[in-house]
Amino acid sequence: AQKVTQAQTEISVVEKEDVTLDCVYETRDTTYYLFWYKQPPSGELVFLIRRNSFDEQNEISGRYSWNFQKSTSSFNFTITASQVVDSAVYFCALSGPGGTSYGKLTFGQGTILTVHP
Amino acid sequence: KAGVTQTPRYLIKTRGQQVTLSCSPISGHRSVSWYQQTPGQGLQFLFEYFSETQRNKGNFPGRFSGRQFSNSRSEMNVSTLELGDSALYLCASSPKRGTSDTDTQYFGPGTRLTVL
Repeated sequence: AQKVTQAQTEISVVEKEDVTLDCVYETRDTTYYLFWYKQPPSGELVFLIRRNSFDEQNEISGRYSWNFQKSTSSFNFTITASQVVDSAVYFCALSGPGGTSYGKLTFGQGTILTVHP
Repeated sequence: KAGVTQTPRYLIKTRGQQVTLSCSPISGHRSVSWYQQTPGQGLQFLFEYFSETQRNKGNFPGRFSGRQFSNSRSEMNVSTLELGDSALYLCASSPKRGTSDTDTQYFGPGTRLTVL
């Protein structure tokens, strides 16, 4: 069975602070896929990044960066110089290679990020 | 390209009624997945359709069903509504270029269902 744990339920920071959202996953699949989504108050889940299990390169996109470590089964997300617009719920998700994982994402419970001006 | 659309956006029903929610995927996307989001249980997978066939199903009772049409549009139906079915129902589509890879899912805005 797959499981995703986001230890932080809520994080509150002041604008321009850096913030890291933690994600730890469990899976028996040797090939798997990890995702981060952002859910603003409007409700729609916005795709941020996808990482395949065989690609451990970290990634940076503007103020966003992701640290994937297979050894610790973690896929953490850092926002540098946070802004008020970053306030949202962030979800980490996991999917398997197919078969019983067709079309199925297993989500963590989400981290509510509030950035104060 | 237009995103995933879901109708209606809001719905209020009473216990015992049934409801049908609709999802139009991104043009060219062939796979549609449905999720239920509640404060208590979070985001949970309902089912996935590809080429009009349900390929995967989550752990929900038989009152939850769905279907996919030849144009990849999908509907989900909940019969005999219960108070606990109040939730945000999200639909996601993906290209499904190949069955050996997992495509990224792109989500619609959701349908907020309230059961009174």
